[in-house]
Amino acid sequence: DVKVTQSSRYLVKRTGEKVFLECVQDMDHENMFWYRQDPGLGLRLIYFSYDVKMKEKGDIPEGYSVSREKKERFSLILESASTNQTSMYLCASSFRSSSSYNSPLHFGNGTRLTVT
Amino acid sequence: AQTVTQSQPEMSVQEAETVTLSCTYDTSESNYYLFWYKQPPSRQMILVIRQEAYKQQNATENRFSVNFQKAAKSFSLKISDSQLGDTAMYFCAFMGFFGNEKLTFGTGTRLTIIP
Repeated sequence: DVKVTQSSRYLVKRTGEKVFLECVQDMDHENMFWYRQDPGLGLRLIYFSYDVKMKEKGDIPEGYSVSREKKERFSLILESASTNQTSMYLCASSFRSSSSYNSPLHFGNGTRLTVT
Repeated sequence: AQTVTQSQPEMSVQEAETVTLSCTYDTSESNYYLFWYKQPPSRQMILVIRQEAYKQQNATENRFSVNFQKAAKSFSLKISDSQLGDTAMYFCAFMGFFGNEKLTFGTGTRLTIIP
């Protein structure tokens, strides 16, 4: 079974802190994604990566950055956390497939971040 | 840009009954993929069912089936013989054929199965 592991299930940080959310997958997936989940807004894509050291902006990248130094690990960074970044963060991964249909996303269990 | 709309924020149904969750989307592409994901209280997102737009036959996975209406851009999920374990958030999602494996999600429907 594919496993996508997010380092923290719950996290509480103060405004202005630098925050790292870590995600590791064990299936040699090329693609990795960070989504943010908010009530009434669904899941919104923050950043994604197709390969090591590659990154692309999603729909809501402002206030975030990412790092992918190794294939299995994709980190989301909040340079200076703000209260409006309080949310659930979901990491996902998939194979780079010639048919996207056949490579569905595998998700981690999420990190619920509270910024006070 | 594609958009996905789920107009039912919450639904509830008695155990063993059938329930249908609605989803509409907007796209200018002719070929694409559609998905339903389930997120139970454990927060683990699970793929329920998927459909390729160029396939006219509606996808079915055990008690789960879809009604895919391409012209109407509608992709509803039907759950038959609902079970308590079906209680979850359900998200409809769209992926363009050239979308680089990115999914666009709807806002979700919270489904509660009542014993």
